[in-house]
Amino acid sequence: GAVVSQHPSRVICKSGTSVKIECRSLDFQATTMFWYRQFPKQSLMLMATSNEGSKATYEQGVEKDKFLINHASLTLSTLTVTSAHPEDSSFYICSARDPGQHNSPLHFGNGTRLTVT
Amino acid sequence: SQQGEEDPQALSIQEGENATMNCSYKTSINNLQWYRQNSGRGLVHLILIRSNEREKHSGRLRVTLDTSKKSSSLLITASRAADTASYFCATATNNAGNMLTFGGGTRLMVKP
Repeated sequence: GAVVSQHPSRVICKSGTSVKIECRSLDFQATTMFWYRQFPKQSLMLMATSNEGSKATYEQGVEKDKFLINHASLTLSTLTVTSAHPEDSSFYICSARDPGQHNSPLHFGNGTRLTVT
Repeated sequence: SQQGEEDPQALSIQEGENATMNCSYKTSINNLQWYRQNSGRGLVHLILIRSNEREKHSGRLRVTLDTSKKSSSLLITASRAADTASYFCATATNNAGNMLTFGGGTRLMVKP
């Protein structure tokens, strides 16, 4: 079945540094990928929709200069948290849908736990 | 804002009992999906029910959808300790190109 791989699974960084998170679709091409953020014991909040070859679409309240998204190929989207601060500490999850399957569900990566010290 | 609201927020049952989780939503939908999330992991798709369907089964899972009440339920029968996880409903709305909006989730604990 389709698999989405997310890396790293866990990262600790110092305040002010930038962190890049990768999301790869392993056996299908994804023109669109979704980035979510999840706080402890809460639901997933959509941050942005990553579009291959064009600019990402950000949800209201999400700073595009803070959360840089690049979708340079049909199998890879990256989220870079720039100048990270402790309040950016969260669980970030990417997902993608196999366009070859009608009404296919979203396939999720295993998430990245970001801790900013 | 959250499209889906789930209740209960937390549920604790004994192994072998059934677990029922409910989801309500606000706008018209194309389909509704249920996902499971183990602690600290990504989400795993469980079942999808289309807006013109009323009930769907998959193994020990039974999902109902009532579009007139804008609600859905997920029933897990004969629960097992391994079913302990968070369960989320997610709605795909017609105008959003099937982009999903997630509910708040139900944290299920099944005690052995």
